[in-house]
Amino acid sequence: GIQVEQSPPDLILQEGANSTLRCNFSDSVNNLQWFHQNPWGQLINLFYIPSGTKQNGRLSATTVATERYSLLYISSSQTTDSGVYFCAVEPNTNAGKSTFGDGTTLTVKP
Amino acid sequence: EADIYQTPRYLVIGTGKKITLECSQTMGHDKMYWYQQDPGMELHLIHYSYGVNSTEKGDLSSESTVSRIRTEHFPLTLESARPSHTSQYLCASSESGGTGELFFGEGSRLTVL
Repeated sequence: GIQVEQSPPDLILQEGANSTLRCNFSDSVNNLQWFHQNPWGQLINLFYIPSGTKQNGRLSATTVATERYSLLYISSSQTTDSGVYFCAVEPNTNAGKSTFGDGTTLTVKP
Repeated sequence: EADIYQTPRYLVIGTGKKITLECSQTMGHDKMYWYQQDPGMELHLIHYSYGVNSTEKGDLSSESTVSRIRTEHFPLTLESARPSHTSQYLCASSESGGTGELFFGEGSRLTVL
């Protein structure tokens, strides 16, 4: 099946700093999503981004489908950004079933 | 904001008990999913359904079972819970013929003593 690798596995930032999270995948995909899992375990949709670039406030994401990676940018980080960020991809060969990466655990210190 | 609901949010039970985790969505989505997530780990698909009376096993083997009698409802059942079933169970849905974007419930955190 498709392999999804996220980096870095852990990231510690000071409040106000910027960061880039990466998601690499091993096969062509129909769609790609970024999620934030809050400390209570809930998964919050950040971006649906199979290709191109999107922005939502301090967050933005870029997916280069031909090179099989996606980047999530967080600018001016806040303590509430802390949590685990997951990338999930739906491969062309397995439509309707998404595979998740291992996640990046972000800690933003005040 | 997604309209998908899971109950209970937290459940602590003894070994051997039968439990059912409820999942309902009001978006009219045909596709529904159950993922299992151990603390600090990635999510694994254990069951999915593409419509009423359609259920399939996911990539991770699970002793749980599911049913899909109504479009909006996708309950998960463990006939005899064991400590190895302790985990978080996350329900999701997506629209058929749409983008495939997943929407998740808040999760059910199960602890089996």
